[in-house]
Amino acid sequence: GDSVTQMEGPVTLSEEAFLTINCTYTATGYPSLFWYVQYPGEGLQLLLKATKADDKGSNKGFEATYRKETTSFHLEKGSVQVSDSAVYFCALSSGGYNKLIFGAGTRLAVHP
Amino acid sequence: EAEVAQSPRYKITEKSQAVAFWCDPISGHATLYWYRQILGQGPELLVQFQDESVVDDSQLPKDRFSAERLKGVDSTLKIQPAELGDSAMYLCASSSGDSSSTDTQYFGPGTRLTVL
Repeated sequence: GDSVTQMEGPVTLSEEAFLTINCTYTATGYPSLFWYVQYPGEGLQLLLKATKADDKGSNKGFEATYRKETTSFHLEKGSVQVSDSAVYFCALSSGGYNKLIFGAGTRLAVHP
Repeated sequence: EAEVAQSPRYKITEKSQAVAFWCDPISGHATLYWYRQILGQGPELLVQFQDESVVDDSQLPKDRFSAERLKGVDSTLKIQPAELGDSAMYLCASSSGDSSSTDTQYFGPGTRLTVL
C-alpha cells in the first residue's frame, strides 16, 4: 500500500540555521504531496502542497519540490526561527477519495 | 477565516465507559474525516464521509466505534466501551469534496482522549 517515510527527530537547530527534513513516499499513481505542521496542543495546519511532478510548494519561507524520479518531497527553509519549533508531517493523498496518508512526523526544536 | 470546530478539547474517562466527540466542519464542505493520532505517530484515517454517506471506514474498529453525519453537516464519533489503547488525539478534518487529489483538508484542534 501507499506509505510515507520521514526522517526521525528530534531535529535541533540554532536560530537562523538551514533546515532540511527528508520525506520519501511509495504510491501507485500520481498522488498530491503535502507538508502539515502541528504546534503544541493544536491541530494540523497545511504548510504547503504540490500536486504534480516538479511542482514546488512554498509558504512562510518553507519550500518543497515534488521529485517523481526520487519519490521525494523534502522540506527546506533557509533560516529557521524559534517560532518554527513544531512537529512537521509529510503526507500524500491516496485513492479516489482523497485519503491522506501521513508519515510519523519530525519534531523540530529551534533554540536562540 | 472559517475553521473546523471540535468539542470537547479534552476528555478523561475510565475504561468501559462510553465517550462521544463532536465535529462541525467548515461551512459548505461536503467531505468530513475523522483521524486518530497516537502520541508520537502521524494521524490515521478512521472514517470518511461524503455528505451523509460513509465512503471509507476500513480502519474503524466497528465493534466499539461508530460515526454518523446524519444531515451531512456536523458529525459525532462514539466509542463504547472505551479501552486503554484508545487514548489518543482524535482529529476531525473537512474538505470541499470536489474529489480531486488537490482538494485540501483542513483540520480542527482535536480532542485529546485519556482512558484510565
